[in-house]
Amino acid sequence: EMQVVESGGGLVKPGGSLRLSCGASGFTFSHAWMSWVRQAPGKGLEWVGRIKSKTDGGTDYAAPVKGRFIISRDDSIDTLYLQLNSLQTDDTAVYYCVVDKRHTSADPEGWFDPWGQGTLVTVSS
Amino acid sequence: EIVMTQSPATLSVSPGERATLSCRASQSASNNLAWYQQKPGQAPRLLIYGASTRATGIPARFSGSGSGTEFTLTISSLQSEDFAVYFCQQYNTWPRTFGQGTKVEIK
Repeated sequence: EMQVVESGGGLVKPGGSLRLSCGASGFTFSHAWMSWVRQAPGKGLEWVGRIKSKTDGGTDYAAPVKGRFIISRDDSIDTLYLQLNSLQTDDTAVYYCVVDKRHTSADPEGWFDPWGQGTLVTVSS
Repeated sequence: EIVMTQSPATLSVSPGERATLSCRASQSASNNLAWYQQKPGQAPRLLIYGASTRATGIPARFSGSGSGTEFTLTISSLQSEDFAVYFCQQYNTWPRTFGQGTKVEIK
């Protein structure tokens, strides 16, 4: 069974940094494209950013986080990371690690499945 | 970016009745549309992708239809475990975007 589990959330002051981790199991992590999606309290879902497999290469980010957040991966331990820098109060959200799925390997975009349980990041002074 | 608009915001339905949820895209999303279910305190769960293909393990009472800019999620006979929030998501164009959600509540 494909599974992802996030960790690393917590309380951080505005301007601070935090690193989230996501452990993967049940699939070949090194082949997977992975994303982070966040959900502010009581709000909807927002795609944050994506990292492709090393073979395909590259990362991309949503405009609100570009230049502040960094996604990386360590395929040797099946782990995805999200480095959050220069945090702002409106970055407060549950951050979900998700597996990117596509109809074919040629498709640039796809849907998200499965989702981790999420980890809460609270940015407050 | 494509803006996804869901309606209604809240849908009150009695158990056993049919529920019809709508999702509209501000420009064509082709059939690159997914639906998710989220229960309180839980992560979203994939229900439908490709506008109409049920994900693994999703009951047949869930069906998706539509293409282009108009999409529908239908739950044919609501069960108690179906009361939740439902989100649509387009993946036709970068960046991928979600609707704001429709809450299905017990009438």
